[in-house]
Formats: sequence, C-alpha cells, structure tokens
Amino acid sequence: DAGVIQSPRHEVTEMGQEVTLRCKPISGHDYLFWYRQTMMRGLELLIYFNNNVPIDDSGMPEDRFSAKMPNASFSTLKIQPSEPRDSAVYFCASSLLTGATGELFFGEGSRLTVL
Amino acid sequence: SQQGEEDPQALSIQEGENATMNCSYKTSINNLQWYRQNSGRGLVHLILIRSNEREKHSGRLRVTLDTSKKSSSLLITASRAADTASYFCATDAAGANNLFFGTGTRLTVIP
Repeated sequence: DAGVIQSPRHEVTEMGQEVTLRCKPISGHDYLFWYRQTMMRGLELLIYFNNNVPIDDSGMPEDRFSAKMPNASFSTLKIQPSEPRDSAVYFCASSLLTGATGELFFGEGSRLTVL
Repeated sequence: SQQGEEDPQALSIQEGENATMNCSYKTSINNLQWYRQNSGRGLVHLILIRSNEREKHSGRLRVTLDTSKKSSSLLITASRAADTASYFCATDAAGANNLFFGTGTRLTVIP
C-alpha cells in the first residue's frame, strides 16, 4: 500500500487566495483525520471523519475552513480566504480503528505558506 | 485540554546512550501512544500502551504508564544517530474517538 497520500507537499499563496489541500487515505481505513502543526501550537486536530461522515469539527478554527470527504478514498481541506496565520503544516491521517484504539497512519504533510 | 506535555522539550545524547522522555496528561485515558517524527516528515506510530498495562517493550523501546500519576515514559536504549527525531505522546479521552498530541521532545543523538 502506498500509505496516506497528500498533495500538494508545498503551497505558497497570497493572503485572500483559496487553498485546497487533498488527501487519499489508506484503502479500507474507516477514519480520516486532519491535523495542523505549528511551532506555537503543536499538533491540533481540526476535524475527523468516520465512513466519510464528519464526526467532530470542533477544532476547525473558523468558517474560513471547510473539509469534505465525498468518498472513501478522497478528502479535501479548503481555506477560503487564506490568511498569513494559516501558515502551517497540515497533516492527514487515516486509521482502521478509531484514533483512540488504533494506530494513525500519517501522510507526509502539506506545508502551507500564506504571504 | 487533553493535550499531553512531554519533558524535556529537547534532549541531546551521545550514540549508545539511553534516552528517556516523559509525558504527562490531564484526564483519564483508554490508551496512550507514542509517535516519532523525522524533520519534514509525517508522524510514525511507535507503540501503544493500554490503560491497564504498566509496561510494554518493542525492540529498543520501552514504554511505561502510571495512570495514578497520569504519566508515561519512553525509553530508547542504545541510541543511534538515526533515532534523531521528535517524539510525541498521544492520548485519547475515555469515550473519545480521536487522539490529542503532546508538545513533543526533540531528541538529538550525536554520532
């Protein structure tokens, strides 16, 4: 298996632009998580899905952030409009079991820089 | 917050020495996991210890859990330069389906 695949690996954009990050989880994994990592705040859970349904989005910073999972093999995290404080590494992770009882498999991350 | 805190924030040792990292958390848990992150890469799962376990081994890794003190430790024996990475503990909250990560310990193993 190729593991969790994220794209793009690096994104540089200007404030106000729309950003879309993509994730392909490991086939057969029922849970998908989006995390954000910054030096100041560490790893923050943004949202997670179970069987394509959003379960907990309480970590999504504000309405500028949205996430979708239209099918079991694809998820997107969108920021519109982007702001400099959104600069971070965004990780997608998938799990066969719940994150609480199973191992999370992380992608390599998407490093976002908003100028 | 359920987030754990690792201690120390940074650790530098010579190759061959043992490295010990500690994690403290705030609320009751079902299990605790340790992850490793190489610079610029994603996190990789190392080991999971359940709340009813006190110690677990995996190769050169030894994890302990003390639920009465809400703390865990990760010991890496006979460290190698390739062990240089950041190490994170992650906890669930009893009844929750997601993980909360600590702030991480940055380990440097000097050849």
